[in-house]
Amino acid sequence: EADIYQTPRYLVIGTGKKITLECSQTMGHDKMYWYQQDPGMELHLIHYSYGVNSTEKGDLSSESTVSRIRTEHFPLTLESARPSHTSQYLCASSHLPGQGKETQYFGPGTRLLVL
Amino acid sequence: GESVGLHLPTLSVQEGDNSIINCAYSNSASDYFIWYKQESGKGPQFIIDIRSNMDKRQGQRVTVLLNKTVKHLSLQIAATQPGDSAVYFCAENKAGSYQLTFGKGTKLSVIP
Repeated sequence: EADIYQTPRYLVIGTGKKITLECSQTMGHDKMYWYQQDPGMELHLIHYSYGVNSTEKGDLSSESTVSRIRTEHFPLTLESARPSHTSQYLCASSHLPGQGKETQYFGPGTRLLVL
Repeated sequence: GESVGLHLPTLSVQEGDNSIINCAYSNSASDYFIWYKQESGKGPQFIIDIRSNMDKRQGQRVTVLLNKTVKHLSLQIAATQPGDSAVYFCAENKAGSYQLTFGKGTKLSVIP
């Protein structure tokens, strides 16, 4: 069982609101990721981080932002939520490549509905 | 372009039978592959992985086969149980890359 947590698990919010999705892991992983996933579809990488003070954009363009002030914490923020942001957001973490342990471990996800 | 894809979007299997889920990849530079299981309302859960220097790897009731010649990956589940019902994703990691590329999932339904 992976020690990676996401809150909230479910969020219903109105258009224009600012929201922050929380993600934390206790495995000491340097690398963390945010994916967006629509129901039954593949995962799309939107942000990742190699470590503290490192943030990178992923393959899928996103209006969200991330920060990495602490190794274990990788929050994702939407400044102004829109209905097109409705989706499931999955956080993951892994060791850095080269250590033979590239496996990513996922949190339970946050289901976001923007009205 | 480079892609990882699954041959069948859905698979129905009788309880107790063996299941085989297939995955094709197009990037010959990929050297690490993972199978994930995602149950409804949950995040993907690691099942088993395999590196490109291996053809086969076994876990508890699961076996992953890698055929680099035809760029094909499969997940075999022995004696499928109702708890195996989920969406299964394969993912590949290109050598030197820092992220995984996920394919479209296959939904496995186990018939009691």
